[in-house]
Amino acid sequence: DQQVKQNSPSLSVQEGRISILNCDYTNSMFDYFLWYKKYPAEGPTFLISISSIKDKNEDGRFTVFLNKSAKHLSLHIVPSQPGDSAVYFCAARTSGGSNYKLTFGKGTLLTVNP
Amino acid sequence: DGGITQSPKYLFRKEGQNVTLSCEQNLNHDAMYWYRQDPGQGLRLIYYSQIVNDFQKGDIAEGYSVSREKKESFPLTVTSAQKNPTAFYLCDRQTRVHKVNTEAFFGQGTRLTVV
Repeated sequence: DQQVKQNSPSLSVQEGRISILNCDYTNSMFDYFLWYKKYPAEGPTFLISISSIKDKNEDGRFTVFLNKSAKHLSLHIVPSQPGDSAVYFCAARTSGGSNYKLTFGKGTLLTVNP
Repeated sequence: DGGITQSPKYLFRKEGQNVTLSCEQNLNHDAMYWYRQDPGQGLRLIYYSQIVNDFQKGDIAEGYSVSREKKESFPLTVTSAQKNPTAFYLCDRQTRVHKVNTEAFFGQGTRLTVV
């Protein structure tokens, strides 16, 4: 049972355009969401997060949107740059208790073409 | 490096051998996690530990063992019982400040290959 789903295994965009990466979740207890970027043979690096009390969080070129009723979040990268080419993981967790376990999606490979 | 170090970066193991992957953190954080990444599978949780001398199984713990004798160290042993050990292994540390979640910081990973 996959609780966090990234249905697009890959995405290709032109440099300077917008990249939109999507993520859906099924567990209504999730209330904190994160996006990670990962290059081959390296650990994921944190990009941006959003709490369920918000519907948008912005950090430079990266914006995350959360639609709780649809259990959907998306990461927008504007403008996209070739260095953004990587695998992007969506992750989610609950705030209750002391277990900070993250549940990850399978990732989306973003390729930004010059 | 986010205060977390994994070693070695590459590791080769013969079939039937146990091998231990190191994960060290220097920020006095309580929670540490081990994941494995396989192509098309995302990150799957193996084991996690929230305090010293305590750890819990994750989603795919079979064939693995861990220890948490010190707060800063959370080694993962891949045993000979693990049927498909070739993968990329990631360790992360997390903390919580004033009931606010923080993001996970990952190590650089260890690529384990069975030869």
